[in-house]
Amino acid sequence: AQSVTQLGSHVSVSEGALVLLRCNYSSSVPPYLFWYVQYPNQGLQLLLKYTSAATLVKGINGFEAEFKKSETSFHLTKPSAHMSDAAEYFCAVSSPSFQKLVFGTGTRLLVSP
Amino acid sequence: SAVISQKPSRDICQRGTSLTIQCQVDSQVTMMFWYRQQPGQSLTLIATANQGSEATYESGFVIDKFPISRPNLTFSTLTVSNMSPEDSSIYLCSVEGDVNTEAFFGQGTRLTVV
Repeated sequence: AQSVTQLGSHVSVSEGALVLLRCNYSSSVPPYLFWYVQYPNQGLQLLLKYTSAATLVKGINGFEAEFKKSETSFHLTKPSAHMSDAAEYFCAVSSPSFQKLVFGTGTRLLVSP
Repeated sequence: SAVISQKPSRDICQRGTSLTIQCQVDSQVTMMFWYRQQPGQSLTLIATANQGSEATYESGFVIDKFPISRPNLTFSTLTVSNMSPEDSSIYLCSVEGDVNTEAFFGQGTRLTVV
């Protein structure tokens, strides 16, 4: 069975500050890991994915995440937050056979001026 | 990437009625997925729909409540039957990407049951 834990239902940062959203996973097989973003009243958009290649993954909008097997983590970072980054962020895991995605509970990012 | 269109985008329904949500994809895909996102919560997989076979339901979801059709490789429907206020959620359709390493999502259907 696979699962994802996102620490912190809400994260608040100031514009220009570092963004760090935490994700830990549990998987009995080598995982594929994803970060999705959901803006208000919209569907989910893929930010980035890890599929067993480079452990440091760069995504859209300046986000990146590092797969750390020893820590079972896949934390999302961005060096400098923009107001437009305010949204809900979901970490998800699947197996390489990609039968389905298992999502974390989400983290709402709040960006203040 | 796949472009997914869901209809309706939102609806307000009376309890006891049923609503059918449509999902249209701009390319042929093998697997389509239906998720539910209850207010303030994460996404939960309802079922996986493959063309030409019965949908596979996750624990806690049954066909009588959420019947699914998959008549071809670009289209699927999810029906929410005999609705109650607890069914008020966003329902999202999803498909695999070309290289089977990611999923694309529709905009979702925001359902309110009164």
